[in-house]
Amino acid sequence: EVQLVESGGGLVKPGGSLRLSCATSGFTFTTHNMIWVRQAPGRGLEYVACINDDGRYIYHADSVVGRFTVSRDNGRHSLYLQMNSLRVEDTAVYYCTRDRSPRLRMDSMPDTWGQGALVTVSS
Amino acid sequence: QSALTQPASVSGSPGQSITLTCTGATHAYVSWYQQHPGKAPNLVIYDVNIRPPGVSYRFSGSKSGNSASLIISGLQAEDEADYYCSSFINNNFIFGGGTKLTVL
Repeated sequence: EVQLVESGGGLVKPGGSLRLSCATSGFTFTTHNMIWVRQAPGRGLEYVACINDDGRYIYHADSVVGRFTVSRDNGRHSLYLQMNSLRVEDTAVYYCTRDRSPRLRMDSMPDTWGQGALVTVSS
Repeated sequence: QSALTQPASVSGSPGQSITLTCTGATHAYVSWYQQHPGKAPNLVIYDVNIRPPGVSYRFSGSKSGNSASLIISGLQAEDEADYYCSSFINNNFIFGGGTKLTVL
């Protein structure tokens, strides 16, 4: 069974930092692009960042570029999201998702989702 | 930036068929996600009209021009949820704003 389990969420003050982790199992981690998606309270889904199968190609949404960094450890089958200079508007549930493709391409899509990690940015 | 537009809400009665629309889908790789309150999204249709294993046959998809549709037949109470369409456009994952489906 494919499993994605996020951890590291919590309450942080504006300007602070947090690191999310996503432990994966049940599939060949090294053959999938991985994607972070977030959802603010009562709002829709928003793409955050993605990283290809070998970690060489990384993309971030305009809303987080320069503040968030996605990374992966293929030896640990894990995905990470380092979040710096956090803002109130970054408050959301952050989902770790698996892309069906090994790298970004037209048919890329999240096909499996973790349960999400809540990040609350508040003073 | 490209956008996918969905109606905010749709409602139907048990047993009815209902169609959710998504405008702005410029190619064939459109996916649909179902999200119940407090839960993670779940893929129900991808590549316009392919159903993942385990998803009810009552879910189907179609596309005409730049508009994609999710059709739910034989509406059931458990279908009440938010539905999001998505596509990879111009090097960005784009999600529609979501449609809240209410089963009357």
